[in-house]
Amino acid sequence: DTAVSQTPKYLVTQMGNDKSIKCEQNLGHDTMYWYKQDSKKFLKIMFSYNNKELIINETVPNRFSPKSPDKAHLNLHINSLELGDSAVYFCASRPTGVNTEAFFGQGTRLTVV
Amino acid sequence: AQSVAQPEDQVNVAEGNPLTVKCTYSVSGNPYLFWYVQYPNRGLQFLLKYITGDNLVKGSYGFEAEFNKSQTSFHLKKPSALVSDSALYFCAVRDGGRGSTLGRLYFGRGTQLTVWP
Repeated sequence: DTAVSQTPKYLVTQMGNDKSIKCEQNLGHDTMYWYKQDSKKFLKIMFSYNNKELIINETVPNRFSPKSPDKAHLNLHINSLELGDSAVYFCASRPTGVNTEAFFGQGTRLTVV
Repeated sequence: AQSVAQPEDQVNVAEGNPLTVKCTYSVSGNPYLFWYVQYPNRGLQFLLKYITGDNLVKGSYGFEAEFNKSQTSFHLKKPSALVSDSALYFCAVRDGGRGSTLGRLYFGRGTQLTVWP
């Protein structure tokens, strides 16, 4: 009964390809996020959705496009992949409220070759 | 601007000894503070949070954290470390100001804790 699940767990692809990462949460949370963790383990927020509405859109190349078909799903599509996109991408969700903690998925390790 | 600092990249401690992982923060409103742990090849797991009230917060796996408003710190502690506590620890803050209900978490850069037998 995974709370926040991401697929795939590992993704190896060539430069220039387009790929998607899927995320689903079964916690009934209203808010979902995408974070990027670089090779130095630094975590940076990319996007946040609340009830399918984009709330946070950090300075991310427009090759990255999130899509939220419903509040339980938040997918990340990446066009024209570059070497620098190699990282671990984490999906997270939390209920609305200032004092609520986020629940993270297991991560997707993307390697661009 | 919101920010979190974890001044130590690495903390090494012997099993059975107390451990402290340091965190200081900067927010414009009331701080909401969190600690997360990341084991190798895993996602982040929530450990504990400070909202309001007691300055000493107890969390999972015997961890606790002390909130100090005057020093803007939220250090993570454990009285007796275990080898299995070895992991990467992240401090995070959410600003309690306007828009905070939808707000982002600002993470520190992480501290690698190694507990040796």
